[in-house]
Amino acid sequence: NAGVTQTPKFRVLKTGQSMTLLCAQDMNHEYMYWYRQDPGMGLRLIHYSVGEGTTAKGEVPDGYNVSRLKKQNFLLGLESAAPSQTSVYFCASSWAETQYFGPGTRLLVL
Amino acid sequence: GENVEQHPSTLSVQEGDSAVIKCTYSDSASNYFPWYKQELGKGPQLIIDIRSNVGEKKDQRIAVTLNKTAKHFSLHITETQPEDSAVYFCAAVSGAGSYQLTFGKGTKLSVIP
Repeated sequence: NAGVTQTPKFRVLKTGQSMTLLCAQDMNHEYMYWYRQDPGMGLRLIHYSVGEGTTAKGEVPDGYNVSRLKKQNFLLGLESAAPSQTSVYFCASSWAETQYFGPGTRLLVL
Repeated sequence: GENVEQHPSTLSVQEGDSAVIKCTYSDSASNYFPWYKQELGKGPQLIIDIRSNVGEKKDQRIAVTLNKTAKHFSLHITETQPEDSAVYFCAAVSGAGSYQLTFGKGTKLSVIP
């Protein structure tokens, strides 16, 4: 039982490049979330999903897209990366209120 | 939407002393309040949570108290140890049906041996 896993662990992008971050969970959770963490800002919700095939915007959705084609996976896409998207990205999943977090992806956009 | 304020942003205590972190929330409809511990380079890990129908919850050296009237809740760590050093986040559930969490900005706790 791996819990929540994230791929990759670290990535460097140039401005304008695109990439996809993958989150996978093996707990059969319905709800999945993507957060970004910046110094002094806590965790801010980017997008979330309440079930397979659904997505919704969180607090800071601009510049990101998501997809939930399979219940166990939640993908976060950056179509044209900007330096302001340099951050640590965390995925989480839940049955209800209690969210379980992955180890994070550190992204540097130059 | 929900707004969660967390204080202090940094806290240093001597090993064996107690540590208290306080949070306030704005949405009176919020009914679930978790606390997460984040060690360096890792993801947040749930350490304790409390629901709005309970005033206090304890788990060994960790306790959380909730005052619904004042809309604030606190984390208490007793007999602190060096391994308690980490960043702690409080959060509150907002948005019925989606279980969205709104987080405080975190408290960096340092336990001095």
